[in-house]
Amino acid sequence: AQSVTQLDSHVSVSEGTPVLLRCNYSSSYSPSLFWYVQHPNKGLQLLLKYTSAATLVKGINGFEAEFKKSETSFHLTKPSAHMSDAAEYFCVVSDGRRGYALNFGKGTSLLVTP
Amino acid sequence: GAGVSQSPSNKVTEKGKDVELRCDPISGHTALYWYRQSLGQGLEFLIYFQGNSAPDKSGLPSDRFSAERTGGSVSTLTIQRTQQEDSAVYLCASLDVTGMNTEAFFGQGTRLTVV
Repeated sequence: AQSVTQLDSHVSVSEGTPVLLRCNYSSSYSPSLFWYVQHPNKGLQLLLKYTSAATLVKGINGFEAEFKKSETSFHLTKPSAHMSDAAEYFCVVSDGRRGYALNFGKGTSLLVTP
Repeated sequence: GAGVSQSPSNKVTEKGKDVELRCDPISGHTALYWYRQSLGQGLEFLIYFQGNSAPDKSGLPSDRFSAERTGGSVSTLTIQRTQQEDSAVYLCASLDVTGMNTEAFFGQGTRLTVV
């Protein structure tokens, strides 16, 4: 079975400071991993994805994530938070079963303070 | 169309009534997924279609929920005898599984409120 654990339900950072959103996964197969962002009253947007190529994945808006197989982690980072980064972030795993259906974590709410 | 389209965007219904939610996927996408997002929760997988068939219905919460897809395109999710716990945002996503790109594209969702 595959599953995703987002270790923090809420993260608060000051504008201009680094962001770290933590995610651990479990999968019986070689997984594809994703981070999606959901701004208030907006649809889900793909930030980045890992599909067994480079372990360090760069996404949109300055975000990146590193796939660490030994730690079964896929943490999302950004060097400097911007006010517009405040949103809900979902770590997602897919291992090719269920037609590549995505298995979502419960989400991390990112708050960015001035 | 350019993206995944869902209708209606909002639906308020009385407890016990039936509702139909519609999803129009990206043209040519062979796979289609339905998810439910309850307040403060992550996305809960409901069902997926490959073409017109649904190999995995294990996520449907009860037999009041059903879904179909016709012509390998539009899908409808039907909830019979709605209950208040059915209130949620229902999201649809589509994916082209014939290529190596496994990115799923999501619609804006239907916000269902059962009163």
